[in-house]
Order: sequence, then C-alpha cells, then structure tokens
Amino acid sequence: GENVEQHPSTLSVQEGDSAVIKCTYSDSASNYFPWYKQELGKRPQLIIDIRSNVGEKKDQRIAVTLNKTAKHFSLHITETQPEDSAVYFCAARNSGYSTLTFGKGTMLLVSP
Amino acid sequence: DGGITQSPKYLFRKEGQNVTLSCEQNLNHDAMYWYRQDPGQGLRLIYYSQIVNDFQKGDIAEGYSVSREKKESFPLTVTSAQKNPTAFYLCASTWTEITNSPLHFGNGTRLTVT
Repeated sequence: GENVEQHPSTLSVQEGDSAVIKCTYSDSASNYFPWYKQELGKRPQLIIDIRSNVGEKKDQRIAVTLNKTAKHFSLHITETQPEDSAVYFCAARNSGYSTLTFGKGTMLLVSP
Repeated sequence: DGGITQSPKYLFRKEGQNVTLSCEQNLNHDAMYWYRQDPGQGLRLIYYSQIVNDFQKGDIAEGYSVSREKKESFPLTVTSAQKNPTAFYLCASTWTEITNSPLHFGNGTRLTVT
C-alpha cells in the first residue's frame, strides 16, 4: 500500500517568512495529492490539491509543487501570518483506490 | 459547515462499555470514512463505505464496527475490544463518481474512556 512521509513535524517561523513542508510517497501510481489545514480542535479543511498531470499549482500565498520522478511534493506558504498557525497534512491517493493515505502532519507556528 | 454532522462533540465512557459515534451527511456523497487522530500520528483510516450496505476495513479496524444502512449515515461503534479507544474521531465523505473528489470532514468527536 501507499506510504506517505511528511517533514518536518514542527516548523516555527517569523511572521512574513516563507514556510515549506515536504512529503514523499511510495506508490508511483498515486495521482492525487491534497493538502489539509487543521486548526486546534477543528476539522481538517482542504487548502489546495494537485493532480499528477501538473507540476505546480498556486492559490494566492499558497503553492504546491510535485516531482513525480522523485515521488515528492511540497507545500509552500509565503508571507506567513499568525493565522497560518495550524497542523498541515499532506495526502496521496492512487486512482485505483478510494482512500487517501495521510502524512503524520506538520505543526506550523507563526510568531508575530 | 460542510454538511457533515458528528455528534456528540465530547463523549465520556467507562472502560468495558461499547459506544457509538454518529455521522450524518446531507451532501449526497456516496463514500463515507472514519479516521482516528492521535497526537503525532496523523489520520489513520478505520473503516470506509462506498455504497449502502457495504463497507471495508481500513488500516486500524480492530475493535471497531460500522454499518451503512442509509446513504446519509455511517455510525461507528467503538467496542470494548478496542485496547486504546481514547482519541479524536473524524468522519469524512466524498463522491465516488468524480475522479479525485476531495474529502469533506465533520467536526469530530473526542472520545475519552476511563
């Protein structure tokens, strides 16, 4: 089955800095890679996703890049703000399966 | 709020008791999922169901049971056989007909067993 590794487990940055979270996956057939943000005590919410037919996707301050050859994908947050503080999860799915495999999460702390 | 309702938000039980967590969705999604979340462990899949009256085990199904009698409902029972039931439980749903349809999560139930 799929295995998703996520790094780092915690990340502390100053407001205005950039943050990068990296994930690797094991199943070369995986073709869908979403990122979820979970604030303390709340449900995970989708913030961006990427399909395997593109290498990069942007949405305002958030971007995701995908390297299919190396089997890794990354979340980039620019101009971080205190409200970006949360746990971020990456995930991967093979189109032949209906389930997502999640990484263990990264706790991002943005200090004012 | 995403149309997925989990109840209750907090649940307390004594060890040895079975407990059922509710999950209802009004999004007309076909597939429903139960995840367990522990600190530092990410989201681990317990059970999932793609159609009514059918469900499959996830990675950590031992000590849990589910039913899918209606499209809108996917209750999870935590049995006394589950060795470490205290956790945050998340229900999710999505469409199966749409390729790579994203998961929508409920607000979760925090179960404490003492």
